[in-house]
Amino acid sequence: EIVMTQSPVTLSVSPGERATLSCRASQSVGSNLAWYQQKPGQAPRLLIFSASTRATGIPARFSGSGSGTEFTLTISSLQSEDFALYYCLQYNNWPPWTFGQGTKVEIK
Amino acid sequence: EVQLVESGGGLIQPGGSLRLSCAASGLSVSINCMTWVRQAPGKGLEWVSVIYGGGTTYYADSVKGRFTISRDNSKNTLYLEMNTLRVDDTAVYYCARAPYISSPFDFWGQGSLVTVSS
Repeated sequence: EIVMTQSPVTLSVSPGERATLSCRASQSVGSNLAWYQQKPGQAPRLLIFSASTRATGIPARFSGSGSGTEFTLTISSLQSEDFALYYCLQYNNWPPWTFGQGTKVEIK
Repeated sequence: EVQLVESGGGLIQPGGSLRLSCAASGLSVSINCMTWVRQAPGKGLEWVSVIYGGGTTYYADSVKGRFTISRDNSKNTLYLEMNTLRVDDTAVYYCARAPYISSPFDFWGQGSLVTVSS
């Protein structure tokens, strides 16, 4: 089983600032890495797939990078609606599909 | 427009059984990779089970032998039969779709809460 580790657990950022979230895989997942945003009481929403491709309707301020075992989600200028939980998911080696434990982006 | 609507959750005693349903519209459960993902209260996301278009199924070790995923193509509905429920099965259960093998889950339902407690 591939273990996904996200850091930091909590990220405190001021509106308008840049946020950088990390996700590390215990072994290579190629580019088969997705990022999700989840707000309280809502289902996860797909932001990024194939490590760097934005899903339909996702604003350009969200960008993903990386391959192999190290991945990054960057939010270039945080808006109020971006404060949420973010999860990475590897879909390269399955079963099982494995998520990171999440990073909470909170208002500083 | 794609919609996935879960139902069937509720309060159940340990050792009991429950069946979740996920009614789909805008996509066909028979040709897509359909999955269940759960989230315990205040915790992260955990993949539970998947069924491919061809009918192949997989389960997380934590539910293997207790949960069964299935679908009714005529009703365009996905199911999760859960038996021998344990307190640690308490979670919101989401159904989701992956458009093909080795793709991420792109459409999700709103979730159904299962609470296992005496």
